[in-house]
Amino acid sequence: DAGITQSPRHKVTETGTPVTLRCHQTENHRYMYWYRQDPGHGLRLIHYSYGVKDTDKGEVSDGYSVSRSKTEDFLLTLESATSSQTSVYFCATRTVAYEQYFGPGTRLTVT
Amino acid sequence: AQTVTQSQPEMSVQEAETVTLSCTYDTSESDYYLFWYKQPPSRQMILVIRQEAYKQQNATENRFSVNFQKAAKSFSLKISDSQLGDAAMYFCAYRSYINTNAGKSTFGDGTTLTVKP
Repeated sequence: DAGITQSPRHKVTETGTPVTLRCHQTENHRYMYWYRQDPGHGLRLIHYSYGVKDTDKGEVSDGYSVSRSKTEDFLLTLESATSSQTSVYFCATRTVAYEQYFGPGTRLTVT
Repeated sequence: AQTVTQSQPEMSVQEAETVTLSCTYDTSESDYYLFWYKQPPSRQMILVIRQEAYKQQNATENRFSVNFQKAAKSFSLKISDSQLGDAAMYFCAYRSYINTNAGKSTFGDGTTLTVKP
């Protein structure tokens, strides 16, 4: 357990509103990731970070932005939520042994 | 780009018996890592086992073992003496040895395992 928490755990929001999901880790891991999980698609990478203020896009980054101002926090923002962004979002970190540890997930519903 | 395929969307096993979950992957790289993750109904993703491609010996963790066939690009997970707590979705994942994309993993679509009492 890498001490990863996500907040909120559940959120319902309306189309067009901004939403920010927070990931917090206590292990001082350098690398952090945001994935989304949808039925039939497994886990898909949205954005990742390789250090404070160092971020880059993953395979499904459209409509999402991220920020990392501190090692322990990695924020995912939906600038204007759409129904296609209804999903379960997982934050993860990576150890030096290349293993990924995941947070408990955030279930986001966009109505 | 690497791809990971899990051809069994659902599997079931009787308690105390053995089950094997399949995973194949496509890559042009020679060095990489492979993982199996478990996601129970609580949704928490848990690392089950890892395998380094340069190691010929198959990884084992208690009741969990893998059959790694590098030439065939196959990485199956065997669960022995299945327990009710093994019921979950299992994901196979690939990670390049090269630190591209900060070492992100590519995941398969998952296999849902049901354990029957």
